[in-house]
Amino acid sequence: QVHLQESGPGLVRPSETLSLTCTVSGGSVTDLCWSWVRLTAGRGLYWIGYVCNKGGSNYNPSLKSRVAMSVDTSKNQVSLTLSSVTAADTAMYFCARTRLGPASRYSYYYHMDVWGRGTTVTVSS
Amino acid sequence: ELVLTQSPDTLSLSPGETATLSCRASQSVISSSLAWYQLRPGQAPRLLIHGTSTRATGIPDRFSGSGSGTDFVLTINRLEPEDFAVYYCHRYGVHPPLLTFGGGTKLEIK
Repeated sequence: QVHLQESGPGLVRPSETLSLTCTVSGGSVTDLCWSWVRLTAGRGLYWIGYVCNKGGSNYNPSLKSRVAMSVDTSKNQVSLTLSSVTAADTAMYFCARTRLGPASRYSYYYHMDVWGRGTTVTVSS
Repeated sequence: ELVLTQSPDTLSLSPGETATLSCRASQSVISSSLAWYQLRPGQAPRLLIHGTSTRATGIPDRFSGSGSGTDFVLTINRLEPEDFAVYYCHRYGVHPPLLTFGGGTKLEIK
């Protein structure tokens, strides 16, 4: 059974870079795609983006200039970095295994079938 | 930009009753990209339904999804105590490539 565990600093100062890691156990990062999603009380769930080991990534346009995701096959981990953070980036961050592919000529399927329990990040000085 | 509106914001029901949760899109949505998730405090979010109506692995048949175009519904029959949680729908669009969540519906015990 695949298990995901997010980890990170917990507290990040404004204007600095947030770095989170998602460690995958019971499965491999090589075959599928991996999404990052965050949850806030005021906004609910918010999609940050995804990365696929076999190539391809896509980020939310509103965060695109500040986000990077990567897959480390040697450690079986997925990472997220978010630069120039502000208080608005305070949230619980989740990683999720993602099924993504063409459903037809004009559409894709996309769903996240295994999630971690999340890690809380607070941006504050 | 597509917006998903979930209603109601909060639904108060008793165990054994049926919950009907709505997810309405501001423009037509391809059904393959419509999914539903359950969030309970302290737990990993759980995929319930994908492709509008396909139950995810291990999801009981009390949960069902339906809809097309702009209107989608998650129905939960015979509510059990563990079903009281927050539910989100999402849609993934290709042009532009963007995943959008609805605002969520909180299902609470009456």
